[in-house]
Amino acid sequence: EVQLVESGGGLVQPGGSLRLSCAASGFTFSSYEMNWVRQAPGKGLEWISYISSSGSTRYYADSVKGRFTISRDNAKNSLYLQMNSLRAEDTAVYSCARHPRGGGGYWGQGTLVTVSS
Amino acid sequence: DIQMTQSPSSLSASVGDRVTITCRASQDISNYLAWFQQKPGKAPKSLIYAASSLQGGVPSKFSGSGSGTDFTLTISSLQPEDFATYYCQQYHTYLGTFGQGTRVEIK
Repeated sequence: EVQLVESGGGLVQPGGSLRLSCAASGFTFSSYEMNWVRQAPGKGLEWISYISSSGSTRYYADSVKGRFTISRDNAKNSLYLQMNSLRAEDTAVYSCARHPRGGGGYWGQGTLVTVSS
Repeated sequence: DIQMTQSPSSLSASVGDRVTITCRASQDISNYLAWFQQKPGKAPKSLIYAASSLQGGVPSKFSGSGSGTDFTLTISSLQPEDFATYYCQQYHTYLGTFGQGTRVEIK
């Protein structure tokens, strides 16, 4: 069974940093592209970052470009999101998601990030 | 960037109804289109990928069709557990944009 479990969320002040982690199991993690997606309270889904299976290709939404960095450790079956210079509008549930290419997407439950003073 | 537009944004339907949700892409995305179901407080669940391929374990009352710019998700006979918000997502480009969602409510 595919499982994705996020961790690392919490309350952070504006301008602060957080590092999110996503532990993957139930599939060959190193073979799959991955995404980070977020959902602000009461809002829709927003794709924010993509990473290829090897980690060599990365893309970001304009809303987080230059502030967030996606990475992965295939030996540890883990995906990461380093978030710097956080803003109030970054408050959301952050989820890792297996890319839909190659058999459909899978999502973790997400971790809540609250940016507030 | 590719924009995804879903319609309607919400609908009211009765148990047993056939429901169709439409997703339109601002440019040709071939069949790189996925559909997700989200219930309140829960993670999205994949229903369809590659426009018409049913995710494993998803009941066959869900079906997807379309290619290019116009896509549909159909629920053949709406059941109480199907009341949720549905999202489309294009993955033709690395920037995998979502539609704004369609909320399916009980009439």
